[in-house]
Amino acid sequence: SQTIHQWPATLVQPVGSPLSLECTVEGTSNPNLYWYRQAAGRGLQLLFYSVGIGQISSEVPQNLSASRPQDRQFILSSKKLLLSDSGFYLCAWRTGLGYTFGSGTRLTVV
Amino acid sequence: QQQVKQSPQSLIVQKGGISIINCAYENTAFDYFPWYQQFPGKGPALLIAIRPDVSEKKEGRFTISFNKSAKQFSLHIMDSQPGDSATYFCAAGDSWGKLQFGAGTQVVVTP
Repeated sequence: SQTIHQWPATLVQPVGSPLSLECTVEGTSNPNLYWYRQAAGRGLQLLFYSVGIGQISSEVPQNLSASRPQDRQFILSSKKLLLSDSGFYLCAWRTGLGYTFGSGTRLTVV
Repeated sequence: QQQVKQSPQSLIVQKGGISIINCAYENTAFDYFPWYQQFPGKGPALLIAIRPDVSEKKEGRFTISFNKSAKQFSLHIMDSQPGDSATYFCAAGDSWGKLQFGAGTQVVVTP
């Protein structure tokens, strides 16, 4: 079966600390993968997308970065978190006419 | 600049009533239009999607109506139930698979 895993579920990090969020998919090969951020009570903002290993496109300039070291692995990183990085981070992969989203990571920067 | 405009921001409907959410887009390069349902603390889940060559698609109590010339589409939730209380997002997708989302509509179904 096709599944998407995202962890951790919640994270509280101090300002200036690094970040690494991981997303993996199972049951498919060469998926298109996406990172979105959702601020409290707001819509979803596309951050990065990847169509293959090592291929990353950035949609919004910020202090975040993404990498795709393996076909089914997508990582969101930051060297130094800002307060404004707080939000709900969602990984997704394209399935037909839409996405399947992971369960999300609630990041609070304090 | 928001590429997909969604309204209303919130709505309250009685059990058994019809919930209607509207979306509009500008970019004619979009070629598919999904709707998502999101419960608090969860990731969005795909409800139903449509391509622009179809004017209507129905799945159970959920119907998408699509007006290509007006660049508008809407979600109708028939016989609304308390379990339908959630935030609904419309979206528009391009050939790269990138989705642009509307701002969301919070639906509350009262018993």
